[in-house]
Amino acid sequence: GDSVTQMEGPVTLSEEAFLTINCTYTATGYPSLFWYVQYPGEGLQLLLKATKADDKGSNKGFEATYRKETTSFHLEKGSVQVSDSAVYFCAQHGSSNTGKLIFGQGTTLQVKP
Amino acid sequence: DAGVTQSPTHLIKTRGQQVTLRCSPKSGHDTVSWYQQALGQGPQFIFQYYEEEERQRGNFPDRFSGHQFPNYSSELNVNALLLGDSALYLCASSSTGVGKNIQYFGAGTRLSVL
Repeated sequence: GDSVTQMEGPVTLSEEAFLTINCTYTATGYPSLFWYVQYPGEGLQLLLKATKADDKGSNKGFEATYRKETTSFHLEKGSVQVSDSAVYFCAQHGSSNTGKLIFGQGTTLQVKP
Repeated sequence: DAGVTQSPTHLIKTRGQQVTLRCSPKSGHDTVSWYQQALGQGPQFIFQYYEEEERQRGNFPDRFSGHQFPNYSSELNVNALLLGDSALYLCASSSTGVGKNIQYFGAGTRLSVL
């Protein structure tokens, strides 16, 4: 069935370091892909999205490219800040694209000054 | 423009009780989805409501039921609570119009079952 797998955390980085969080998916079609971020005690905020192969989503310095060949949607940021500390979730809409979101297990990022 | 609002923010119940959680969607949105997020896990899809009907359902027992009102707001009901129902319950709204794939989440209701 449709699923999302993220690299396990926690990920601990120093401020201004480069960030990569790996995400791969399984689906029978080409679902829309998303990255959501959850700050402590809050709900999920959409960070970026991509709806078709080779699309690059970007927001607030974060980027992710929809790679159909490797079924991946890795999240990257060139220089992280302490304020980026949060839990990051990769998600897909599933093959039917009916609106149900399928999430990965989440990756905790901690950025130290 | 108010975003997705959920109430209450926190709730404590005992096993066997029933609970109702409420959600008001973002202005202009007509579809509401509910998710359960256990501690340290990703959200799991419970069901989705559109035009006051359940359109899609995840792998949750019948103890979980919902309702959508004409103003698009929604309720999630859980009967015969179990300890394992303790989680953060998230509501997300979206639109069937342009950009329908984007779901916007509320801050959630944290349910503790003792």
